[in-house]
Amino acid sequence: AQRVTQPEKLLSVFKGAPVELKCNYSYSGSPELFWYVQYSRQRLQLLLRHISRESIKGFTADLNKGETSFHLKKPFAQEEDSAMYYCALHTNAGKSTFGDGTTLTVKP
Amino acid sequence: ETGVTQSPTHLIKTRGQQVTLRCSSQSGHNTVSWYQQALGQGPQFIFQYYREEENGRGNFPPRFSGLQFPNYSSELNVNALELDDSALYLCASSLGGTGSDTQYFGPGTRLTVL
Repeated sequence: AQRVTQPEKLLSVFKGAPVELKCNYSYSGSPELFWYVQYSRQRLQLLLRHISRESIKGFTADLNKGETSFHLKKPFAQEEDSAMYYCALHTNAGKSTFGDGTTLTVKP
Repeated sequence: ETGVTQSPTHLIKTRGQQVTLRCSSQSGHNTVSWYQQALGQGPQFIFQYYREEENGRGNFPPRFSGLQFPNYSSELNVNALELDDSALYLCASSLGGTGSDTQYFGPGTRLTVL
């Protein structure tokens, strides 16, 4: 069975501080991992995916297969980063698993 | 480019009734996934349709069923509604039926079962 765990439900940092949102997964196959974000009153949207190896809005995430983790990081948080963040695992078998999300609050 | 749309926005039903929710895919997308999101939880995967065939299914009972049409729009049907079915139902479309495809989400349908 596949599982995605986001251990922190709430995370609060000050503007300019580094931020790390944790994501751990379990899956026996080769995972396709994503971070989705939901800003206030907006729909869920892609932030980044591991296959692209790109940085979006200053966020990066590295897939660590040894630790089965895909933590999301940003060196300097901005107030506009305040949102709900979901880690997700999609498979070629057509199944998807989302974590329960982390609410990030960036204080001025 | 038209984004993913869902209808209706809100719906109130009573226990035991049946409901149909609708989703229009983003232009060019042939895959639709449906999710149930209860308050305070992440989206729970119900099933995925790829080119009109069910491509994957989560741990939901058979009273949750779906359809995908030739234009790749989709329906989610829920029979014999239970109080616990109250949730936000999300659909997401993607370009193909592979795990590496980004999913594009609709705004959701809020279902309340009384």
